[in-house]
Amino acid sequence: GAVVSQHPSWVICKSGTSVKIECRSLDFQATTMFWYRQFPKQSLMLMATSNEGSKATYEQGVEKDKFLINHASLTLSTLTVTSAHPEDSSFYICSARDRGIETQYFGPGTRLLVL
Amino acid sequence: AQSVTQLGSHVSVSEGALVLLRCNYSSSVPPYLFWYVQYPNQGLQLLLKYTTGATLVKGINGFEAEFKKSETSFHLTKPSAHMSDAAEYFCAVTYQGGKLIFGQGTELSVKP
Repeated sequence: GAVVSQHPSWVICKSGTSVKIECRSLDFQATTMFWYRQFPKQSLMLMATSNEGSKATYEQGVEKDKFLINHASLTLSTLTVTSAHPEDSSFYICSARDRGIETQYFGPGTRLLVL
Repeated sequence: AQSVTQLGSHVSVSEGALVLLRCNYSSSVPPYLFWYVQYPNQGLQLLLKYTTGATLVKGINGFEAEFKKSETSFHLTKPSAHMSDAAEYFCAVTYQGGKLIFGQGTELSVKP
């Protein structure tokens, strides 16, 4: 149980284009989803927290107009990187948890490379 | 502010030896504690967690951890390392309804 999937696992795009990453909870209701960014050999950096049906809460320093997060259902959240640039290249990981449960379950991650 | 410290960014053990990965947290309220493992180019997998109850918790792959409130520690151990245990390990803490706060991670290497 508690499986989270991400799609795509790899994406390469040209600078200036937008990329959408999907995060799905497969066997539980994800009332809250989180998006993280991870640089090589570093820990995870929380980008934003989203609750189903509400606007996402972004961490300080994260551009909300660049990283659009939508959590329209209890099983799906999307992260759209708009007008991507090479500095946005990174490993993006989502996680999800159900209401009243403190455990976050993580997706397998999406590697984004912007050329 | 709450924080998590993992002592040692890199730990190397021989196959069959004891694995000990250290984690200390700073908190004024009882936390929920987690250990996650990350293999290269993958997401995080939950190894074990402490929420309430028994302070010695057992997880997957033979790992266990003990919550010691007096020492604000949650060290991860495994009696006998296996080559497949080589990975990055993250200790994390959260509080009711709060964010997950990660340590900086410890890379475990296992020598044959």
